[in-house]
Amino acid sequence: DVKVTQSSRYLVKRTGEKVFLECVQDMDHENMFWYRQDPGLGLRLIYFSYDVKMKEKGDIPEGYSVSREKKERFSLILESASTNQTSMYLCASSSDRTQVLNTEAFFGQGTRLTVV
Amino acid sequence: QQQVKQSPQSLIVQKGGIPIINCAYENTAFDYFPWYQQFPGKGPALLIAIRPDVSEKKEGRFTISFNKSAKQFSLHIMDSQPGDSATYFCAASIEETSGSRLTFGEGTQLTVNP
Repeated sequence: DVKVTQSSRYLVKRTGEKVFLECVQDMDHENMFWYRQDPGLGLRLIYFSYDVKMKEKGDIPEGYSVSREKKERFSLILESASTNQTSMYLCASSSDRTQVLNTEAFFGQGTRLTVV
Repeated sequence: QQQVKQSPQSLIVQKGGIPIINCAYENTAFDYFPWYQQFPGKGPALLIAIRPDVSEKKEGRFTISFNKSAKQFSLHIMDSQPGDSATYFCAASIEETSGSRLTFGEGTQLTVNP
């Protein structure tokens, strides 16, 4: 059974703190993604990675960075948390882009981050 | 700029009804259109998907209708059940040189009353 695991379900951090959100997948997928989910805005892509040590900016990268040192692990970093980064964060993974017909993304259950 | 626009934002139907969720896209290069279903406390999961070379795809009670010329696609749920109550997201992707990435709509919260 495929699995994407996010390290925390709920997190409360203070403004200005550096925050790490961790994601691990056990499917040997090449691609990994970080989204944030906000009511009325859907899922918006923050960063993604197609390979170890590679990263690409998504639609809303400002205030975030990522790290992918190992294939199975993709970390999202909030350099200095702000209240407008209070949100649900979702990690996802998918198989290699060369498998054109299979672009299904598998999601973790999310981390609800509150910045106070 | 929202490249995939979804409506309605919320929808309430009675059991057995046929909820319809609509999406419109702008980028004609999109070549894959999935729908994801999300239950409370869970991450989204793939429900059904279509490619633009067909106008309709059916899987069980779920049907995608696709209109390439209008750049629109929709999800129909036949004989809806209370267990279908969830948030539904449409999405679109394009095969880029660096790989494919999904662009999601805003989501529709569906409630099916018993």
